[in-house]
Formats: sequence, structure tokens, C-alpha cells
Amino acid sequence: NAGVMQNPRHLVRRRGQEARLRCSPVKGHSHVYWYRQLPEEGLKFMVYLQKENIIDESGMPKERFSAEFPKEGPSILRIQQVVRGDSAAYFCASSPKQGGNGYEQYFGPGTRLTVT
Amino acid sequence: AQTVTQSQPEMSVQEAETVTLSCTYDTSESDYYLFWYKQPPSRQMILVIRQEAYKQQNATENRFSVNFQKAAKSFSLKISDSQLGDAAMYFCAYRRNTGNQFYFGTGTSLTVIP
Repeated sequence: NAGVMQNPRHLVRRRGQEARLRCSPVKGHSHVYWYRQLPEEGLKFMVYLQKENIIDESGMPKERFSAEFPKEGPSILRIQQVVRGDSAAYFCASSPKQGGNGYEQYFGPGTRLTVT
Repeated sequence: AQTVTQSQPEMSVQEAETVTLSCTYDTSESDYYLFWYKQPPSRQMILVIRQEAYKQQNATENRFSVNFQKAAKSFSLKISDSQLGDAAMYFCAYRRNTGNQFYFGTGTSLTVIP
């Protein structure tokens, strides 16, 4: 009964490089959420996706960040031309359904991105 | 806009004692859900307890219980018989009934003293 899987757990990138973070949701879950946690802060919503669709990207920076959740394979959060301010823990969560009925989100262990 | 406030950055409790973590939130919605998540040093987010706003009865999960005051928009977590394994960051979170995202507070770091 695998939970949400994220890889890599730790990622080091130099300024200007690209970072790719992967998330495999709980089996059977078709809703994926990405959150960012800066040091000493709570998690901040970035984007919500269903298979092949971005539903809500209101928390995603307008530039350099993109996300996808293809029909097959994991969800990917891509950060292009990383800067030091992108250093954070990025969490993925999944749920079986959207919103109502109180479905909680199951979180992965996070990917800690360090930009040097 | 929804905001979640945790006014206690750090708390400590003696092993076997009881501790209460505070959380307040701001919303104009009437139907929503509240959660407490635990984040140990491993950084894994673990659901501790959940409360539906339409339920007057406070949620309970073993040693964990909440005091949900809807009118005051307050949602505190009580941990009874504290154990060393309870040491972690605790985050309060809010989600609208039809919403997609969670809104998290800034967390309370709980230390359990042997």
C-alpha cells in the first residue's frame, strides 16, 4: 500500500540550471497538488492538477515554474533557471477526489531543493 | 481570503503531561474542513486529526483531540499523555468544502521533555 512517492529526496542545482521534481500519487488517486515550504514557514499551495489538466495554478510563480500530470507516469514540477530563492522543500500530495466530502490530501516526503 | 494563524512558534511539555496547541483561522465560508498535521524531522507530513465544520462534536483520535469553536474561529489541538514520539512541528490547516488547496499556518514546534 504505497503512499505518495517523491524523488529525488534531495536535489542540488547551480543557479541557472533546471530542476525536475517527480511525484507518484497514491495508487488510484487522480488529483495531485504541489506545495512549497520555505524555511521556518508552513506549506504554501502552488498548483493542483488532474490527469492531463491543470485545474488551479494560482499559487505558481508566473515565470520559470511549470507542472504537468500526464496520462501515464508521475507528475512533474519543473523549475527552469533556478535561483537561490527557489531553495525550499517541495511537497506533493494526492487525493482520490476533489474538494468535498472532506477528502484529505496524502502527502509525500518532499524534495529538498538546494540552489548553490 | 483564508488565513490560518498559529501564535505559538514553540511549545514544550513534560512526558506524560497534556499540552494544547492553538490555531485560529479567518474565513467567510460556512462549510469547510480543518486539519492538524504533524511534521517530524523526517519532514513527512502526517495527518493527526480532521474536523468537519458542520459537526459540533469535537474530533478525537486516541490521545489527540480538538476544541473546535466555530463562532470564535478557533481550532486547538490537545495532546494527552505526551510521548517522546510526539515531538515534531504541528501545522494547522484549512480547506473549503469545495476548495482545492489547503491553507497552512506557520507551525508550532513541540518539544517533549523526558
